[in-house]
Amino acid sequence: DAKTTQPPSMDCAEGRAANLPCNHSTISGNEYVYWYRQIHSQGPQYIIHGLKNNETNEMASLIITEDRKSSTLILPHATLRDTAVYYCIVRADNQAGTALIFGKGTTLSVSS
Amino acid sequence: EAQVTQNPRYLITVTGKKLTVTCSQNMNHEYMSWYRQDPGLGLRQIYYSMNVEVTDKGDVPEGYKVSRKEKRNFPLILESPSPNQTSLYFCASRGLARTDTQYFGPGTRLTVL
Repeated sequence: DAKTTQPPSMDCAEGRAANLPCNHSTISGNEYVYWYRQIHSQGPQYIIHGLKNNETNEMASLIITEDRKSSTLILPHATLRDTAVYYCIVRADNQAGTALIFGKGTTLSVSS
Repeated sequence: EAQVTQNPRYLITVTGKKLTVTCSQNMNHEYMSWYRQDPGLGLRQIYYSMNVEVTDKGDVPEGYKVSRKEKRNFPLILESPSPNQTSLYFCASRGLARTDTQYFGPGTRLTVL
């Protein structure tokens, strides 16, 4: 799996958009970008994933650059409950049996 | 509701006393796995299973056993726990479609004295 780079921490005011960047400059053509988050000591939670098109669901939006070397997870209206560690994971679509590789992620702190 | 359940959620035990942490999923997923999470080391995979009666080692299998007799259950067994197995444990499951996502359980915090 391609390596990802994320900032160690970010702050966001409640109600504002949180934009979490991820660099994955060595991504291959068959690798997807996944985002998970982990709220303190809880099990990681899937947020969203994408290949090359931008994606949106009820939790977030994922913007992938045209060259696919970086992406941004957007939480449109952050709340205090969005405070968590966010993990960007790049993973090929043929690795059903292998572990997810969680890096250090970005600790997002949302404050009022 | 789709979920992965683990029991117990918290456990304090002593060195050498065999224990089992249960994991169950209600999504008919083929793939299940166990991770441990330690400060500074992130999440590391212990064992995984691709289907009933099919298990394999992950990155840190020493000191652990698993079994997969039924599709929904994947217990983690510590036959002789040691203090270095004090950790936060997560069970996870997913289907085998190409982009199926993983669902994680709530975690089991284990302390071995």
